[in-house]
Amino acid sequence: DAKTTQPNSMESNEEEPVHLPCNHSTISGTDYIHWYRQLPSQGPEYVIHGLTSNVNNRMASLAIAEDRKSSTLILHRATLRDAAVYYCILRESGAGSYQLTFGKGTKLSVIP
Amino acid sequence: KAGVTQTPRYLIKTRGQQVTLSCSPISGHRSVSWYQQTPGQGLQFLFEYFSETQRNKGNFPGRFSGRQFSNSRSEMNVSTLELGDSALYLCASSLEVAGRNEQFFGPGTRLTVL
Repeated sequence: DAKTTQPNSMESNEEEPVHLPCNHSTISGTDYIHWYRQLPSQGPEYVIHGLTSNVNNRMASLAIAEDRKSSTLILHRATLRDAAVYYCILRESGAGSYQLTFGKGTKLSVIP
Repeated sequence: KAGVTQTPRYLIKTRGQQVTLSCSPISGHRSVSWYQQTPGQGLQFLFEYFSETQRNKGNFPGRFSGRQFSNSRSEMNVSTLELGDSALYLCASSLEVAGRNEQFFGPGTRLTVL
């Protein structure tokens, strides 16, 4: 799988928006961009995914650059519960690519 | 709908022993994946099963094995345990095409090897 680059850590104030960046300059045309997060002492949790267009769901928004070499996960109002490690993962769409390849992710701290 | 369940949640074994971990996926999910998480290596993929067949395997020694039953429940086995096998073992299930569908993770089994 192609690699992603994320900052090791970020801080945000509670109730402020958070923009978590991810670089994936070697992304191929069929790679989907997935985001997962892992809260302390829990298994990872799916957040959102997209291919080319920006995506919104109840948890977050995903903004994908026009050249698809970077993306940004947007949490519109950070809460203390959003403190977690956020992983940006590229997933091939072809057969045989069923695993998630996790990097080190970004540890998000939310300040009350 | 019940989530992914894993048993046991905690396990302590000694070197040389073997261990079996169990995972029950979300009802209707046919794909089950296993991951190992350690502080040093992070989350690493072990293997993935679909309809009782292993579809994909990570870069782990043959001591790590798994299987899936007809009801989609899965087990993973680690034989001849080593200290370095101490980790959180996570199971995830998804509907079918894991490449595009989200994976739902269980809480994990914390294995300690003494």
